[in-house]
Amino acid sequence: EVQLVESGGGLVQPGQSLRLSCTAAGFTFGDYAVHWVRQAPGKGLEWVGFIRSKTYGGTTEYAASVKGRFAISRDDSNSIAYLQMNSLKTEDTAFYYCIRGFAVAGTYSLDYWGQGTLVTVSS
Amino acid sequence: IVMTQSPLSLPVTPGEPASISCRSSQSLLHSNGYNYLHWYLQKPGQSPQLLIYLGSNRASGVPDRFSGSGSGTDFTLKISRVEAEDVGVYYCMQVLQIPTYSFGQGTELEIK
Repeated sequence: EVQLVESGGGLVQPGQSLRLSCTAAGFTFGDYAVHWVRQAPGKGLEWVGFIRSKTYGGTTEYAASVKGRFAISRDDSNSIAYLQMNSLKTEDTAFYYCIRGFAVAGTYSLDYWGQGTLVTVSS
Repeated sequence: IVMTQSPLSLPVTPGEPASISCRSSQSLLHSNGYNYLHWYLQKPGQSPQLLIYLGSNRASGVPDRFSGSGSGTDFTLKISRVEAEDVGVYYCMQVLQIPTYSFGQGTELEIK
């Protein structure tokens, strides 16, 4: 069974940093991309960024709202992806989901989602 | 790319059909013939789940009462006969442009 479990959320002050982890199981982690999507409480979904599999270079892409502040990395040997969040703002408050990215027809299907972890940025 | 869903709220009687529209500000039809549009359902208190990928392909385990259609800028998710377990918020998502993947605002389906 495919599983993704996020951890590391919590309450931080504006300007501080936080690192989220996404631990995967039930599939060959290194063969897939990992995407991050966030959802402010009671709001819609916002794509944050993703990291390609090593097969596709292991490179990253980010939404404009987080570029330069957030960084995604991966440890394929332990089936973990990370979202390093720096210079956090109050508007970064959200549930953060990690999602498996299945490469199909030249794009990605975000097919399995974790349960999410809540990040609250407040003074 | 801006994704616009309608309606935003959809009350449906069990057993009746339901339809959700998603329009994109740019064509999602890739030169390879695929539409880069997915549909998701977020049930209350849960994370989103994939229903339809590439416009019309049902994801694994998704009941056949769900279907996706459309091409270019206009897409539709249809539920042939709504069941109580179908309540939640439905989102369309475009995956044409990296790094600007985007979602629609969501359509909340409720049972009458």
